[in-house]
Amino acid sequence: DVKVTQSSRYLVKRTGEKVFLECVQDMDHENMFWYRQDPGLGLRLIYFSYDVKMKEKGDIPEGYSVSREKKERFSLILESASTNQTSMYLCASSLPRQGAGELFFGEGSRLTVL
Amino acid sequence: DAKTTQPPSMDCAEGRAANLPCNHSTISGNEYVYWYRQIHSQGPQYIIHGLKNNETNEMASLIITEDRKSSTLILPHATLRDTAVYYCIVRVKGSARQLTFGSGTQLTVLP
Repeated sequence: DVKVTQSSRYLVKRTGEKVFLECVQDMDHENMFWYRQDPGLGLRLIYFSYDVKMKEKGDIPEGYSVSREKKERFSLILESASTNQTSMYLCASSLPRQGAGELFFGEGSRLTVL
Repeated sequence: DAKTTQPPSMDCAEGRAANLPCNHSTISGNEYVYWYRQIHSQGPQYIIHGLKNNETNEMASLIITEDRKSSTLILPHATLRDTAVYYCIVRVKGSARQLTFGSGTQLTVLP
């Protein structure tokens, strides 16, 4: 079975702290994604990557950056956390472009910024 | 990617079929319809996808209208564990650009 693992299920950080959210997938997927999920807003795409060292902005990239140094790992970075970044963060991966394209999600990381 | 419209909530009796509608009137010829669901406090789970023919797998059936402007996800015998938010998404197959999920439909299966 495909497994997408997010490093932390729950984090509490203070305003201004640098936050790293790590995601690892074990199926050699080319595509990886970071979403945030907020009540009433559904899932919103922050960044995605379709290859190592490649990244593209999603719909809400402001305040975030990403890193894809290895194919299996996609990191989301909050350089200076703010309270409006309190949210559930979901990582996903998908098959290569020629594949069916369904997304496989991790369990999520719930971040609280105080 | 085309936009989708889903009802915000639906109820279904346990053991009965759950029929979840989705409108996607601006769908393009090369766009597929995907369905996912999210059980509370878990990551979303892929269910099924299709282009224009009806599709069935072990989880559900997908019925797409002939004009492709709408579709229905059918859970043939809903159980309490099917209570979840169901998302309908339209996108080009294999596209690296993923459509942002909308708000979905909260399905509640009642005992």
